[in-house]
Amino acid sequence: GAGVSQTPSNKVTEKGKYVELRCDPISGHTALYWYRQSLGQGPEFLIYFQGTGAADDSGLPNDRFFAVRPEGSVSTLKIQRTERGDSAVYLCASSLWGQSTDTQYFGPGTRLTVL
Amino acid sequence: QKEVEQNSGPLSVPEGAIASLNCTYSDRGSQSFFWYRQYSGKSPELIMFIYSNGDKEDGRFTAQLNKASQYVSLLIRDSQPSDSATYLCAVNGYSGAGSYQLTFGKGTKLSVIP
Repeated sequence: GAGVSQTPSNKVTEKGKYVELRCDPISGHTALYWYRQSLGQGPEFLIYFQGTGAADDSGLPNDRFFAVRPEGSVSTLKIQRTERGDSAVYLCASSLWGQSTDTQYFGPGTRLTVL
Repeated sequence: QKEVEQNSGPLSVPEGAIASLNCTYSDRGSQSFFWYRQYSGKSPELIMFIYSNGDKEDGRFTAQLNKASQYVSLLIRDSQPSDSATYLCAVNGYSGAGSYQLTFGKGTKLSVIP
């Protein structure tokens, strides 16, 4: 079946602009995660959705970052007033229930470059 | 703060040899452990998971877990050039803020030399 998809695959923007990154999880997966991966680092947790609600947003670096999942499927990560330090690959993952033993399946990522 | 430590490498092994990748973690409450493979420019791909102490084998891959030592390893037998990638160790534990999160190490870069 179809895996996790993310759009766009690449996004180049200017400092101060607003961007939206989209994630479409595996059908039937209730848990959705956003991670950020900088060069030479492992992915870092940003936010977790269980259904439509953001159950854990403790990884969001500041209030410029926000994410929604209005219908419990597709999610959008929104970044306001982008800064050069936001440049990274943003990864979305989904799992069946969000339990500790669930496997998280990753999408291809969106590479964000802030000039 | 939960930490996952890996030797960044690069680890070079000849084709056909055994590659041994190691990982330690700080949170004793961690419940499940995952190894992901990441090719350059691609997203992480699950290789194996392990929940209980001991060994778990899947084809050429064996994961080993020792919770008392807070240590996880991945052995790759009969290494192939196509195994050349970065291997990420990920530990799943309760965040205390409502979710089970994966905490990743920085990854070990493996090069298999033909």
